[in-house]
Amino acid sequence: RKEVEQDPGPFNVPEGATVAFNCTYSNSASQSFFWYRQDCRKEPKLLMSVYSSGNEDGRFTAQLNRASQYISLLIRDSKLSDSATYLCVVNKGQNFVFGPGTRLSVLP
Amino acid sequence: EAQVTQNPRYLITVTGKKLTVTCSQNMNHEYMSWYRQDPGLGLRQIYYSMNVEVTDKGDVPEGYKVSRKEKRNFPLILESPSPNQTSLYFCASSGLARISSYGEQFFGPGTRLTVL
Repeated sequence: RKEVEQDPGPFNVPEGATVAFNCTYSNSASQSFFWYRQDCRKEPKLLMSVYSSGNEDGRFTAQLNRASQYISLLIRDSKLSDSATYLCVVNKGQNFVFGPGTRLSVLP
Repeated sequence: EAQVTQNPRYLITVTGKKLTVTCSQNMNHEYMSWYRQDPGLGLRQIYYSMNVEVTDKGDVPEGYKVSRKEKRNFPLILESPSPNQTSLYFCASSGLARISSYGEQFFGPGTRLTVL
């Protein structure tokens, strides 16, 4: 089993749709969780950290379920500019493990 | 401007010819790291450094070396490159938030390496 797994994608959705990404991790000792976005051939950039109580930033909501070792990202009212690959990231001690990413295409 | 810089951005070389990819950050971050990204495999950590003179292996360290003589620089060295090291490489840095939790990683623009 991979240490961090994500929905295989790609997700093709119309503008304005709500889309949810799922991520599972295998290391129960992990303490830090993040969602990054990566545009084609560019560097990853932090979208949001994920906190135990869940957190929201505008149209983006992240949830963490430690018992199930599951992280989610919800994007509401999707925009064309949300088209990117979304990476789930989990720490393993002092290492960071990236999921393979889920590609999102928002269509006009 | 706060940033992570990498050089070169593109490099084509031949098997066995030693090369160094430089990485520098101007944010006074303690933590620096190197990743490689390959299609279908995502980003994999090669080496990381918690501070000056402290480096540790990540998940795929074979064939790579690093050094951290200064806080701002973290070069990646390929002593004898091979074709399976053809990849997109990213350097990243992070300020340590808490002992058991880490802050945002800032990535450099990437170095696309081709080994013939």
